[in-house]
Amino acid sequence: DTGVSQDPRHKITKRGQNVTFRCDPISEHNRLYWYRQTLGQGPEFLTYFQNEAQLEKSRLLSDRFSAERPKGSFSTLEIQRTEQGDSAMYLCASSLETRAGYTFGSGTRLTVV
Amino acid sequence: DAKTTQPTSMDCAEGRAANLPCNHSTISGNEYVYWYRQIHSQGPQYIIHGLKNNETNEMASLIITEDRKSSTLILPHATLRDTAVYYCIVRDANRDDKIIFGKGTRLHILP
Repeated sequence: DTGVSQDPRHKITKRGQNVTFRCDPISEHNRLYWYRQTLGQGPEFLTYFQNEAQLEKSRLLSDRFSAERPKGSFSTLEIQRTEQGDSAMYLCASSLETRAGYTFGSGTRLTVV
Repeated sequence: DAKTTQPTSMDCAEGRAANLPCNHSTISGNEYVYWYRQIHSQGPQYIIHGLKNNETNEMASLIITEDRKSSTLILPHATLRDTAVYYCIVRDANRDDKIIFGKGTRLHILP
């Protein structure tokens, strides 16, 4: 069990650029979640996959955000035309079944300058 | 919206038991109580969850009141490494509800 891996750990980008983050869940976990966390706040839910199907998206996920999980394994989160307000920690989590706790990765810290 | 109320912060002396309270007065019969913690610069870490009965694992104990309107997470012998933000969450796991985090309790373990 190597845990949930996120890449990169840190990303600095200029406003208006596109960024893509990757999440590799625990291999047997069929559920994958993306959250965003800003300073002093708890993580906010963004979206959720069961296998390759994206089952729920938060209102926070504007049309500049897109997430994929093409083969039901790793997932990517892309932000187009980044804005300074997108600066946050982006967290990925996975779980095996409904009652189980989530396993979180260490996150990708995005800074938009 | 988070359905729980927690103190903003708490202190506990190293080696003592840390008791973290959580109110969830509107909890429904199908909702479980989950606890996570987040150490600085890391992702949240699952600690424990329960429905009605008290639960214990290698990390902590969870005490749920009989009416299920509140619970307490107990770290039996707190160490400096337990300094973190602790989140209490209620979730209908049978409906596969997503986890909604509040602001949690910032626990400081004092040497």
